[in-house]
Amino acid sequence: KQEVTQIPAALSVPEGENLVLNCSFTDSAIYNLQWFRQDPGKGLTSLLLIQSSQREQTSGRLNASLDKSSGRSTLYIAASQPGDSATYLCAVAQGGKLIFGQGTELSVKP
Amino acid sequence: DTAVSQTPKYLVTQMGNDKSIKCEQNLGHDTMYWYKQDSKKFLKIMFSYNNKELIINETVPNRFSPKSPDKAHLNLHINSLELGDSAVYFCASSQDRGTEAFFGQGTRLTVV
Repeated sequence: KQEVTQIPAALSVPEGENLVLNCSFTDSAIYNLQWFRQDPGKGLTSLLLIQSSQREQTSGRLNASLDKSSGRSTLYIAASQPGDSATYLCAVAQGGKLIFGQGTELSVKP
Repeated sequence: DTAVSQTPKYLVTQMGNDKSIKCEQNLGHDTMYWYKQDSKKFLKIMFSYNNKELIINETVPNRFSPKSPDKAHLNLHINSLELGDSAVYFCASSQDRGTEAFFGQGTRLTVV
């Protein structure tokens, strides 16, 4: 059974820092991996999608990597800003559905 | 234009009532989903439909009945609501099973 784990559960950093969020999964037979952002009381916004055959994807200050064989993905956020404060969710696509981690709650202090 | 829209956004109801949540997507996607986010913010699949056909039913109590009148709509009807049904319910869609998913804003259901 696929299990997705995100570490740390919460992270607080000063503005301007570069940071890394971690996601691990137990079964490497995934179709893709998606990173989402969730603001309080809001829906999920898709940030990056990495196909199983890819190693990384970049969008602006965000870079996501995927190492399928070791069951790991990282989301790198460069030069963090207070507006980046949110919960970041990692999800793997398997069996026609997304299996989510429990998220990392990020707080970027001005 | 909202890609995936759900109504209502908030729903407060008493135990034992029956309620429905509606979802519509204007992305032309073939697959739609219902996910449940519990009080610990853990998201889990409930149902998946592909082109109006039920594909995934993730051991959800049969008080929950999804209905897809066409591939742009997926509604969720819940009978005999219980306290434990309180959660945020998210609708999502994707072009096909396993491709990039887009989520609605969620419906916060509170059963009192």
